Amino acid sequence: QKEVEQNSGPLSVPEGAIASLNCTYSDRGSQSFFWYRQYSGKSPELIMFIYSNGDKEDGRFTAQLNKASQYVSLLIRDSQPSDSATYLCAVNRSFQKLVFGTGTRLLVSP
Amino acid sequence: DTGVSQNPRHKITKRGQNVTFRCDPISEHNRLYWYRQTLGQGPEFLTYFQNEAQLEKSRLLSDRFSAERPKGSFSTLEIQRTEQGDSAMYLCASSLDIMGQGNEKLFFGSGTQLSVL
Repeated sequence: QKEVEQNSGPLSVPEGAIASLNCTYSDRGSQSFFWYRQYSGKSPELIMFIYSNGDKEDGRFTAQLNKASQYVSLLIRDSQPSDSATYLCAVNRSFQKLVFGTGTRLLVSP
Repeated sequence: DTGVSQNPRHKITKRGQNVTFRCDPISEHNRLYWYRQTLGQGPEFLTYFQNEAQLEKSRLLSDRFSAERPKGSFSTLEIQRTEQGDSAMYLCASSLDIMGQGNEKLFFGSGTQLSVL
């Protein structure tokens, strides 16, 4: 079992729709959860982080964490073509390295 | 530019040659990480430093790989006797670990794309 699992996609949504990206993790000791966006040929860019159960909103982005079910999700409201990228989920235990999933490719069509 | 800087951006080498990459982290960051990423995969952890101390090395890091961070500032990653399987994007990231909380956010450099022919 991989430590962090994501559906590779692509996830296709029309412009203006809500994109829902999901991630599950295996280590129950994980304490910090991150979403990175990576455009083709570019390096990952941090867009959201969450430490506690529940929802965290930042602009059009909402991160959701459920530690009991060991999943974290990212919702993108009013999706734009510029949101088309690969979204990487990453988790870590305190004092330890960040472990990444393989990423979900999102395609937003005009 | 106060972000993480990596050099070179691209490196093409022949199998068996040695290569060295450099990373300059964000100046106030005390942690520095090296990751490797291949097409269609997420970044894979290689090693990280807390100041000048190398705290963890991945099993992915064979004896041909060595990383240093002298004086806790920039870091170098050297690959000796390169193999075609070493072809990948090598990413450096830095973070600020405040009082050992560990919930630090990583900021990545642009990466070094290595092609081994």
